[in-house]
Amino acid sequence: LAKTTQPISMDSYEGQEVNITCSHNNIATNDYITWYQQFPSQGPRFIIQGYKTKVTNEVASLFIPADRKSSTLSLPRVSLSDTAVYYCLVGADNTDKLIFGTGTRLQVFP
Amino acid sequence: EAGVTQFPSHSVIEKGQTVTLRCDPISGHDNLYWYRRVMGKEIKFLLHFVKESKQDESGMPNNRFLAERTGGTYSTLKVQPAELEDSGVYFCASSQGVDGGETQYFGPGTRLLVL
Repeated sequence: LAKTTQPISMDSYEGQEVNITCSHNNIATNDYITWYQQFPSQGPRFIIQGYKTKVTNEVASLFIPADRKSSTLSLPRVSLSDTAVYYCLVGADNTDKLIFGTGTRLQVFP
Repeated sequence: EAGVTQFPSHSVIEKGQTVTLRCDPISGHDNLYWYRRVMGKEIKFLLHFVKESKQDESGMPNNRFLAERTGGTYSTLKVQPAELEDSGVYFCASSQGVDGGETQYFGPGTRLLVL
């Protein structure tokens, strides 16, 4: 499975848009890009998944350029409750084993 | 609908003792996974059940770890004898279907401390 690289931490303020970029230079043709969110003392929670271009749901947007070597998770108008660790994972759609990297620790300030 | 539940939430034991962790997946989910985060490190895959069968146990660290899934329902992960390096958070996740790639739903984890 492709290795991912993310910033270790990011700070933001309430109401701002936050963009977290993940690099996955060795992504394979059949790999999908998935983001998970983890709050303290909880297990990771699925946020969004995409293959190419743009995906949007009620929580976030995921932007994937044509070469798919990176992806950007966009959180619109963050609130204090968005403070969490965000993981970018890459793997084939028929792969069950999730491989977590270090994640990005997002801290939202008032 | 209830999510994935894990018991206990915390466990403190001494080196050499035995601990058994339990995971109840979401009802109807065929896939059950165990992961763990050892102190200060990344979340690592341990093993994967499809119903009662072990599909992939490549992440199990050694033979002190034994996982079972009786009748394809709940699962237990036993550590015997526990060592200091086993301390960490053990997560269980489940997903529906057998084709793979399904969204995994995680439990809150069991925090294990071996003294």
